[in-house]
Amino acid sequence: AQSVTQPDIHITVSEGASLELRCNYSYGATPYLFWYVQSPGQGLQLLLKYFSGDTLVQGIKGFEAEFKRSQSSFNLRKPSVHWSDAAEYFCAVSSGGYQKVTFGTGTKLQVIP
Amino acid sequence: DGGITQSPKYLFRKEGQNVTLSCEQNLNHDAMYWYRQDPGQGLRLIYYSQIVNDFQKGDIAEGYSVSREKKESFPLTVTSAQKNPTAFYLCASKSVPGNEQFFGPGTRLTVL
Repeated sequence: AQSVTQPDIHITVSEGASLELRCNYSYGATPYLFWYVQSPGQGLQLLLKYFSGDTLVQGIKGFEAEFKRSQSSFNLRKPSVHWSDAAEYFCAVSSGGYQKVTFGTGTKLQVIP
Repeated sequence: DGGITQSPKYLFRKEGQNVTLSCEQNLNHDAMYWYRQDPGQGLRLIYYSQIVNDFQKGDIAEGYSVSREKKESFPLTVTSAQKNPTAFYLCASKSVPGNEQFFGPGTRLTVL
């Protein structure tokens, strides 16, 4: 069965500092991987996705993620965090098609001035 | 604008009452999903539907029911059999080519 682990429940960074959110997945074949962001009381918005090809994918709002098959990881990065990036971030894995998507438990990001 | 709408935003019900949450999409997506979100637990799949008049149970279907009579609509009923219904409920839809899910704004259900 597929699974996703986000080991950091809560992360605090200073505005302007770099950010890396960790995501490890468990899946037998090549997975479809996603990062979503959620502001309080809102739905989820897709930041980026990986299906195949270049293992470094670019997303919206200046985010990027790198797929590392050998480490079963799909970590999210941003070189310089803005106060508006404070939100909860979810990593997700899918086998594609209409099959279910499995979400991690989320990492809550706090940005301090 | 295309998107997913959920109504109402906030819903209050007395214990023992059934309640139906609305989800409508105009993205022409075939698949629709219902998730429950509790603090610290991420999103858990309740039900999903790949096509009209067909749906499958997710990981936590007990105490919930759905219907899919139209492509655009996938209402969720929280029945009195659901032991702990207070939560934030998210609806999503998906098209195969893109594979990503699009989410509605959510409904916060509070059972008093």
